Amino acid sequence: EAGVAQSPRYKIIEKRQSVAFWCNPISGHATLYWYQQILGQGPKLLIQFQNNGVVDDSQLPKDRFSAERLKGVDSTLKIQPAKLEDSAVYLCASSLDVVDWPHQPQHFGDGTRLSIL
Amino acid sequence: KQEVTQIPAALSVPEGENLVLNCSFTDSAIYNLQWFRQDPGKGLTSLLLIQSSQREQTSGRLNASLDKSSGRSTLYIAASQPGDSATYLCAVTRGYALNFGKGTSLLVTP
Repeated sequence: EAGVAQSPRYKIIEKRQSVAFWCNPISGHATLYWYQQILGQGPKLLIQFQNNGVVDDSQLPKDRFSAERLKGVDSTLKIQPAKLEDSAVYLCASSLDVVDWPHQPQHFGDGTRLSIL
Repeated sequence: KQEVTQIPAALSVPEGENLVLNCSFTDSAIYNLQWFRQDPGKGLTSLLLIQSSQREQTSGRLNASLDKSSGRSTLYIAASQPGDSATYLCAVTRGYALNFGKGTSLLVTP
């Protein structure tokens, strides 16, 4: 079974520029998550999708971050404009179905490491 | 707000030792607790998932326990190996989101 795919692996941009990350979940997984992991911290959930609908985006800084999951499969996360504090690893995860969510583990991609200069 | 704390922040042990990693959480109304492993530059790999109704889970040399009433979990690693070197994170779930601790960085020396 192929895992969660993310690209790019690394990105370096200057502050105030824009950037986009892409995620392809495990085939058949209805639920997709984006997490932000700042160095030395645990991951923090930014947004959760069930198919192509948003379940939870309460911690997404909506003035600069946006995410979409067209057709309920791939997802993109965008930052515009980027700030220095956005330097982090952005992790995408997927799980089988939110209906049975307490029993379904989340599977993580390797992440995109973002550096803001 | 749920707070998850992991102690110690870092640990170095010689190969072959048994070791215990600790995780505590402030809100005992959780649905489950998971232990993850994170290798440098990689994503998270789920090791063990304990439902709120369970007391422990085992997988190979790993054993995780859960005491919901006291807000504590431990991850026991038997006969540690250099390949076990990684950061170990625990996470609890009440709503849909996982609430993570900051992790314990483990180094097993040959």
